[in-house]
Amino acid sequence: DAGVTQSPTHLIKTRGQHVTLRCSPISGHKSVSWYQQVLGQGPQFIFQYYEKEERGRGNFPDRFSARQFPNYSSELNVNALLLGDSALYLCASSGEDSYEQYFGPGTRLTVT
Amino acid sequence: AQSVTQLGSHVSVSEGALVLLRCNYSSSVPPYLFWYVQYPNQGLQLLLKYTSAATLVKGINGFEAEFKKSETSFHLTKPSAHMSDAAEYFCAVSESGAGSYQLTFGKGTKLSVIP
Repeated sequence: DAGVTQSPTHLIKTRGQHVTLRCSPISGHKSVSWYQQVLGQGPQFIFQYYEKEERGRGNFPDRFSARQFPNYSSELNVNALLLGDSALYLCASSGEDSYEQYFGPGTRLTVT
Repeated sequence: AQSVTQLGSHVSVSEGALVLLRCNYSSSVPPYLFWYVQYPNQGLQLLLKYTSAATLVKGINGFEAEFKKSETSFHLTKPSAHMSDAAEYFCAVSESGAGSYQLTFGKGTKLSVIP
């Protein structure tokens, strides 16, 4: 079975630009979460979606937004990129009412 | 609010020696606790989890962890380190019953294994 997949693998953007990151959960999983991992730190929670509804939001500015589609895949959007947005963005999926989250390989975003 | 503290950002052990990675948590409700491992340029892999069943939890690759409520700890151990264990390890907590299953992570401990 395929695990969580994310695209693209790497991305380089310029300050002020917009970026869209994509995630496909494990088949049968209805919940997707997004985390930001800055170099040398643990992942920080950004959003969680379940059945297309936002279930939780971390302490991130409104420049960050996300959505979940009917097939349970998800997009994370970041507007007006800052240098500080450079990080590994991780997507995780979980089954219904499950605390176990399975992570994808991440998207490495570099903002110059 | 929940938080996780991992003592020691970098731990070095000899191959075959005991591995002990420390994790303390704070949570206002009974926690669910997790250990994840991250190899360079990869995502996180779940090693083991505590979800209020047995306090001694066994995971993959010979790792185990013990939940000690009185000490608010969830330390990760492995009796004999292998070179392939070199990686970064993250402890995480989730609050049971909160409705949102978000994970709060510690800052991580990088494990080096010396041959």
